[in-house]
Amino acid sequence: AQTVTQSQPEMSVQEAETVTLSCTYDTSESDYYLFWYKQPPSRQMILVIRQEAYKQQNATENRFSVNFQKAAKSFSLKISDSQLGDAAMYFCAYRSRGYKYIFGTGTRLKVLA
Amino acid sequence: EAQVTQNPRYLITVTGKKLTVTCSQNMNHEYMSWYRQDPGLGLRQIYYSMNVEVTDKGDVPEGYKVSRKEKRNFPLILESPSPNQTSLYFCASSSSGTGGYSYGYTFGSGTRLTVV
Repeated sequence: AQTVTQSQPEMSVQEAETVTLSCTYDTSESDYYLFWYKQPPSRQMILVIRQEAYKQQNATENRFSVNFQKAAKSFSLKISDSQLGDAAMYFCAYRSRGYKYIFGTGTRLKVLA
Repeated sequence: EAQVTQNPRYLITVTGKKLTVTCSQNMNHEYMSWYRQDPGLGLRQIYYSMNVEVTDKGDVPEGYKVSRKEKRNFPLILESPSPNQTSLYFCASSSSGTGGYSYGYTFGSGTRLTVV
């Protein structure tokens, strides 16, 4: 069975600095998709970035980028130039080409002014 | 506006009183799912539906029912709620099929359920 692990329950970063959130997963499939979602205090779930497993190039969305290491089954999220609005819960998620869509337990990110 | 509409946002009920949380999407998505979010446990899938009249259990289905009679609607039913079902619930929808899997979920705004 597939699993998603986020080993950092909470992290802090100074405003304007860079922070990396870790995510590892386990699967026997070769074709899948990985996502990072953000949940601010409003509790709305917001898609931050996505990565197709067959693409070697790491995805980037403005200040957000990922480090996708397929062989190591690692999918970390890097936030550059952190802003106060980045403070939220971040969830890593795995989706197979089917019905499985699994989330990690989340990392709470605090941004310090 | 493309969205998933989930109601109510807050609900307090008593043990054993049947309730329904509604979910509707306007994006013609085939795939819909319900999750519960609990501190330290992340989001856990309750039920999902691949299309109309096609539903299946997720990881924590006990105590819940769903139906998918129309493509846009996917209600979550708690026939006899218990205090351990106190949680934050999310409905989500997504495309499926070729290309669709690469897209993430569109989530509803969540329902905070308290069972006393």
